Amino acid sequence: EIVLTQSPATLSLSPGERATLSCRASQSVDNYLAWYQQKPGQAPRLLIYDASNRAAGIPARFSGSGSGTDFTLTISSLEPEDFAAYYCQQRTNSMYTFGQGTRLEIK
Amino acid sequence: VQLLESGGGLVQPGGSLRLSCAASGFTFSSSAMSWVRQAPGKGLEWVSGIGGSGGSTYYAGSVKGRFTISRDNSKNTLSLEMNRLRVEDTAIYYCAKKRSTGDTCGFDIWGQGTLVTVSS
Repeated sequence: EIVLTQSPATLSLSPGERATLSCRASQSVDNYLAWYQQKPGQAPRLLIYDASNRAAGIPARFSGSGSGTDFTLTISSLEPEDFAAYYCQQRTNSMYTFGQGTRLEIK
Repeated sequence: VQLLESGGGLVQPGGSLRLSCAASGFTFSSSAMSWVRQAPGKGLEWVSGIGGSGGSTYYAGSVKGRFTISRDNSKNTLSLEMNRLRVEDTAIYYCAKKRSTGDTCGFDIWGQGTLVTVSS
């Protein structure tokens, strides 16, 4: 099973700052990596698919990069509504795993 | 475009439960689907997936042999039969749609979730 490790576990930033979230895979997943945002009491929301493609309706301040084992989600300038939990997800042979999550909190 | 789960509830350890997910607003029969769960206060865990035709099914190691995923394309419904339930199966269960056919990673549509509690 491919393990995804997200860092940091918690990130404390202020609105307007840049956020950089990391996701590392235990072995190569090519570009089959997605990022999700989840707010309390809500279902996850797809942000980025296939490592670097923004999903429909996602603001341009969200961007994804990486391939193989190292991936990054960048939020260029934090808005108040961006403070939430973020998860990465990989797909290999039609099986999936998620990272343990990064909690983005207001400093 | 919507997914609506049902069937959650309280069940004793060792018991069984069947979850359903009603799909609308998209071509269900062309869409691979999955179940994802989230234990209270914890992260996301992929549980099971199924191809559009229903001919291919996949399971996480933690549920293999106990859970069965299925679909009825004539009724636009996804199901998860859960047997030999354990306390650690307690979670919100979400159904989710793979964003497109082919080689891609991402679930673009999620239901609101249904809570399964396994407790004596």
